[in-house]
Amino acid sequence: NAGVTQTPKFRVLKTGQSMTLLCAQDMNHEYMYWYRQDPGMGLRLIHYSVGEGTTAKGEVPDGYNVSRLKKQNFLLGLESAAPSQTSVYFCASRENYGYTFGSGTRLTVV
Amino acid sequence: GNSVTQMEGPVTLSEEAFLTINCTYTATGYPSLFWYVQYPGEGLQLLLKATKADDKGSNKGFEATYRKETTSFHLEKGSVQVSDSAVYFCALSDRGNNRLAFGKGNQVVVIP
Repeated sequence: NAGVTQTPKFRVLKTGQSMTLLCAQDMNHEYMYWYRQDPGMGLRLIHYSVGEGTTAKGEVPDGYNVSRLKKQNFLLGLESAAPSQTSVYFCASRENYGYTFGSGTRLTVV
Repeated sequence: GNSVTQMEGPVTLSEEAFLTINCTYTATGYPSLFWYVQYPGEGLQLLLKATKADDKGSNKGFEATYRKETTSFHLEKGSVQVSDSAVYFCALSDRGNNRLAFGKGNQVVVIP
């Protein structure tokens, strides 16, 4: 059972470049989330989805877009990367009170 | 809105010492409370949870009691090991908003 898989694990981008982070879950969970983790800030919610075809903004949505075309996948896009988006990104899925997290994507924007 | 506050700063202690990490929360309604652990280079793992007042969550020697009167969910372990070195996050989930709110986390370093 893979759980939640994030790709890629590491990426370096130049300012202004775009990229998409992929999150895939094989547990048939309805809810999926994207968080970013920064030193001293804990985890902050970027966007989330309560089911296929739905998305909603979290605490820090600016500069990011998301899509949930298939139930098992939740994509996070950066249209024009900025150094402030250097962070570790975590995806999670949820069933009832059980959240499962991926192992993270470390993104550096130079 | 919902928020979680953890004590400031890293925690460094010797093996077999007693560990306490404070967590207080602000929430509307009746949240569920969680402690997550993050080992170096890994994602977050659920350590324990409590879904109503006076519940005690426990796992791997760690315990936390949901105290509604003091809005707290402090994490304790009686005798820590080097393998407990990690970052610990307190979090809450309110049925009304479908998401987890996290505290800032505490780095715990256990010295042999």
